[in-house]
Amino acid sequence: DTGVSQNPRHKITKRGQNVTFRCDPISEHNRLYWYRQTLGQGPEFLTYFQNEAQLEKSRLLSDRFSAERPKGSFSTLEIQRTEQGDSAMYLCASSPTGANTEAFFGQGTRLTVV
Amino acid sequence: KQEVTQIPAALSVPEGENLVLNCSFTDSAIYNLQWFRQDPGKGLTSLLLIQSSQREQTSGRLNASLDKSSGRSTLYIAASQPGDSATYLCAVKSQGGYQKVTFGTGTKLQVIP
Repeated sequence: DTGVSQNPRHKITKRGQNVTFRCDPISEHNRLYWYRQTLGQGPEFLTYFQNEAQLEKSRLLSDRFSAERPKGSFSTLEIQRTEQGDSAMYLCASSPTGANTEAFFGQGTRLTVV
Repeated sequence: KQEVTQIPAALSVPEGENLVLNCSFTDSAIYNLQWFRQDPGKGLTSLLLIQSSQREQTSGRLNASLDKSSGRSTLYIAASQPGDSATYLCAVKSQGGYQKVTFGTGTKLQVIP
């Protein structure tokens, strides 16, 4: 297992288009998180899955955003009708169930909306 | 709600200096604290993880300390090198809820040759 994998690494899209990102967590990890990082800021929490259940969503996740984790394995994050303000790095993390466990982060998908 | 603050926001030092980055958090009910490095336009590289029961962790020229009761952590970098130039992020994993990781806004470090 090579860690958390995110695809694509970079995405340039025109305003108004839909985009979808994929995250493949470490295989035995039940927990999966999505974060968004804008320029000069730290990553901000978007949503959390335990297995296939989406258990928490941030208010940052507007109606144009949807995330899924079918079968509790990989996850997708879709943004509909993209806006320039959606330009950011989208990071995925996974961790095993348990208290003192480490969150492992992917390399992120950089989205640029033009 | 957990809030994480990092001071300073930016730091410029000459090569060879020892330096300290600071991180503070508002809710001491944490499982662990992690320091990350981020190069421009890149993802996160984990540097050190300190469990809530630990006081410090060391890796090479890096030493991180944790004082959970006061809500503070420091990252000490010895004998800084130009290759250390990056943004350093502190993140805490909170107890309760869904063990969300909350990040600070980072310290941008520049080491001048």
